[in-house]
Amino acid sequence: DAGVIQSPRHEVTEMGQEVTLRCKPISGHDYLFWYRQTMMRGLELLIYFNNNVPIDDSGMPEDRFSAKMPNASFSTLKIQPSEPRDSAVYFCASSGAGGAEETQYFGPGTRLLVL
Amino acid sequence: QKEVEQNSGPLSVPEGAIASLNCTYSDRGSQSFFWYRQYSGKSPELIMSIYSNGDKEDGRFTAQLNKASQYVSLLIRDSQPSDSATYLCAVTRLGYIPTFGRGTSLIVHP
Repeated sequence: DAGVIQSPRHEVTEMGQEVTLRCKPISGHDYLFWYRQTMMRGLELLIYFNNNVPIDDSGMPEDRFSAKMPNASFSTLKIQPSEPRDSAVYFCASSGAGGAEETQYFGPGTRLLVL
Repeated sequence: QKEVEQNSGPLSVPEGAIASLNCTYSDRGSQSFFWYRQYSGKSPELIMSIYSNGDKEDGRFTAQLNKASQYVSLLIRDSQPSDSATYLCAVTRLGYIPTFGRGTSLIVHP
């Protein structure tokens, strides 16, 4: 298996622009997670899905952030409009059908810089 | 609110020494405990999981769990410079997603 795939790996954009991050989870995994990591705040859970359904989005910072999972093999995290404080590394992770408590497998991350 | 606490470090140890990383958690009902390693610029990867009180060994790594005292630790024997990374502790219970600590930075110097 190729593992969790994320794209793009790096994104530089200007404030106010729309940013879309993409994730392909490991085939057969039922859970998908979006995290944001910064030096100041560490690893923060933004939202997670179970069988394509959003379960908990309480970590989404504000309405500028939205996430979708239209099918079992694809998810997007969108920021519109982007702001400099959104600069961070965004990780997607997936885990299997054993339950929410199972081991998570992380993608390589997307490094986002908003100027 | 479930909390997982780790000393941010950095923890600096000489090559060949034992590195001891600690993690405390607030949810007394926690059942599953994970240690992830994250190299600079990379994503977290699982290195150990532990579910029962006591020690679990895997090569140079030993995870220790004490549920009564609500802490879990990771020991790295014969530390190597390649072990230099940030180590994240994650804790959860059945039906819940893991809560991650902020991580401890480990530096192994030659």
